[in-house]
Amino acid sequence: EAQVTQNPRYLITVTGKKLTVTCSQNMNHEYMSWYRQDPGLGLRQIYYSMNVEVTDKGDVPEGYKVSRKEKRNFPLILESPSPNQTSLYFCASSPDLAVKGNEQFFGPGTRLTVL
Amino acid sequence: DQQVKQNSPSLSVQEGRISILNCDYTNSMFDYFLWYKKYPAEGPTFLISISSIKDKNEDGRFTVFLNKSAKHLSLHIVPSQPGDSAVYFCAASAITGTASKLTFGTGTRLQVTL
Repeated sequence: EAQVTQNPRYLITVTGKKLTVTCSQNMNHEYMSWYRQDPGLGLRQIYYSMNVEVTDKGDVPEGYKVSRKEKRNFPLILESPSPNQTSLYFCASSPDLAVKGNEQFFGPGTRLTVL
Repeated sequence: DQQVKQNSPSLSVQEGRISILNCDYTNSMFDYFLWYKKYPAEGPTFLISISSIKDKNEDGRFTVFLNKSAKHLSLHIVPSQPGDSAVYFCAASAITGTASKLTFGTGTRLQVTL
């Protein structure tokens, strides 16, 4: 089944404890992206990657890191999480950089709470 | 600066009636507009899109209208069904550098009542 998977789905952590949220897609997509969803703010892009070893900042990259060492994986790293990073995170992938208006396929989400 | 706006946080419609969800944008460089649907505890799923060179796109019960002069688009669902109850996000695509970037609105929660 074609899908985007994220792990963990739920995570409660404390301020300053490094964490990684994994994202994997099995559709051989070039483009991958991370978003956060917050009440009243919709979905905001954190980072995106156009291909292996190519990543770039989205609208809200502060406090996050990403890597794209393999085409299928795009982990999101929080080196020193803070409470304002408490949010619902989505990973997404797209088959091409500009196809059908960049229709993206989303993972199920990771709900992160930073105490 | 919110480039894509959904001014109605929620909408309630009776089953069988038409649901109209609205979206406004400010960036005239957007080349595609998309609607995503999101159920609780799931990721958004693509619903329908429209190119900026068209004014209407239809797919079954879903139709998207684009008014470029007003920088406004709307999603019509006819007839509305209880399974349509979800949060709907409007999104707009623009080429930045060599890739497209999606900008999302804040979402409208649609409730279809019996």
